Amino acid sequence: EAGVAQSPRYKIIEKRQSVAFWCNPISGHATLYWYQQILGQGPKLLIQFQNNGVVDDSQLPKDRFSAERLKGVDSTLKIQPAKLEDSAVYLCASSFLRREQYFGPGTRLTVT
Amino acid sequence: AQSVTQPDIHITVSEGASLELRCNYSYGATPYLFWYVQSPGQGLQLLLKYFSGDTLVQGIKGFEAEFKRSQSSFNLRKPSVHWSDAAEYFCAVGGPYNQGGKLIFGQGTELSVKP
Repeated sequence: EAGVAQSPRYKIIEKRQSVAFWCNPISGHATLYWYQQILGQGPKLLIQFQNNGVVDDSQLPKDRFSAERLKGVDSTLKIQPAKLEDSAVYLCASSFLRREQYFGPGTRLTVT
Repeated sequence: AQSVTQPDIHITVSEGASLELRCNYSYGATPYLFWYVQSPGQGLQLLLKYFSGDTLVQGIKGFEAEFKRSQSSFNLRKPSVHWSDAAEYFCAVGGPYNQGGKLIFGQGTELSVKP
C-alpha cells in the first residue's frame, strides 16, 4: 500500500514570495491533515479536511495561508506572502475513520 | 486545555540498555494516545497506539507503552535499545472529544544511543 506522498521535499524562497505544497493521501483515507513543525517543536495542526470539506482551520493564519482539497483526494497548501517565521517542515497526514494518522515525508521550507 | 508534556528533551542511553520515555497528558475525556518516531529528514512513523482496552500496548520495533489513567501518563519503553533507535520521539493525544480527531503533540524527546 502506498503511503502519503508529498512534494516538493525541500523549498527555499525569499520572504514575500509565494509557495505551494502538494499532498496525496493514502487511497481511501477521507481525512487529510496539514501540520506545521517548527524546529525543536512537535507538529501543530494547520487545517483538517474531511473529503473536500474543512473540519478545522482554527490555527491556520488565513491572511497568508490557504489550502484546498477540491476533489476530496489530493490537497494543496499555499503560503502567500511568506514570512521568515514560516520556515518549518510542513507535514501532511491522512487517516481512515479519524483514528491513527499516517504521515508523509514532509516538505522542508526555508524562507530567507 | 488539552496538552502533552514530554519532560525529557534529550536522553542518551547505551546500546543494549533499557529505555523509558515519559509522556504526560491533559485531556477532557478518555484519550486516544500515540507514539510516533521521526528520523532526521523524515516524516513521522507510528510506533503504537491506544484507543481502549488493555492498557499495555505493543508496537513495532519492540516498543511498548502503558496507559496509566491515574497518572495521566503513557510512557514508552523498550527493553534493549539498538543504535538504529536513535531518533526523535513524539507522544500525541487525540480522540473524538477533539473535533475531527486532531492530534496534540508533545515537544518531543531526542534519543541518542551510545555504542
